Amino acid sequence: EAEVAQSPRYKITEKSQAVAFWCDPISGHATLYWYRQILGQGPELLVQFQDESVVDDSQLPKDRFSAERLKGVDSTLKIQPAELGDSAMYLCASSLELATYLYEQYFGPGTRLTVT
Amino acid sequence: AQKVTQAQTEISVVEKEDVTLDCVYETRDTTYYLFWYKQPPSGELVFLIRRNSFDEQNEISGRYSWNFQKSTSSFNFTITASQVVDSAVYFCALSEAMDSNYQLIWGAGTKLIIKP
Repeated sequence: EAEVAQSPRYKITEKSQAVAFWCDPISGHATLYWYRQILGQGPELLVQFQDESVVDDSQLPKDRFSAERLKGVDSTLKIQPAELGDSAMYLCASSLELATYLYEQYFGPGTRLTVT
Repeated sequence: AQKVTQAQTEISVVEKEDVTLDCVYETRDTTYYLFWYKQPPSGELVFLIRRNSFDEQNEISGRYSWNFQKSTSSFNFTITASQVVDSAVYFCALSEAMDSNYQLIWGAGTKLIIKP
């Protein structure tokens, strides 16, 4: 069964360092999402892509976060510089198309980030 | 404003007991979609069900059942004869048709602990 791949699974970094996460969606999925999930809370959408275009990045802290999906396939989320408050689980999800009433989101295992 | 409330932060039951997870939503849209996702300790969110606002029929899938009541804006999830493998965090989510990006609005989740 096809899966969303993410790496690394765990990352420990010092504050002010740069960190990057990678996501490979299910083949053929046009829509890709990056979420941040703080312990005890639901996922918070950071950025949404349709193919290589950003659909929504209104919740992405653009002074330190960036995301790209250059060829409309895999994606990278970067934080520079990392802050203590960035410690969270970063989840990637993909769906066949935008319409969630037709196509559910499939999630990867996430990257657990700890900033010290 | 749209909102999803899962008032039960944590529920603990003994194996084989039935358990109901509550979900209350707020929306001004007349067409919307409700979801349940499961997040086991491994971290990967797993889609369970999607329901549209025009379909109030209850749904049963094995030991899982869902009760959708528009009159009370609720979409509750019941597990019958619970098993230890059901231990996870369960999230309810809402998507509105008026949102052209069909983004999910997530509840805070209910942690379900099934004791052997």
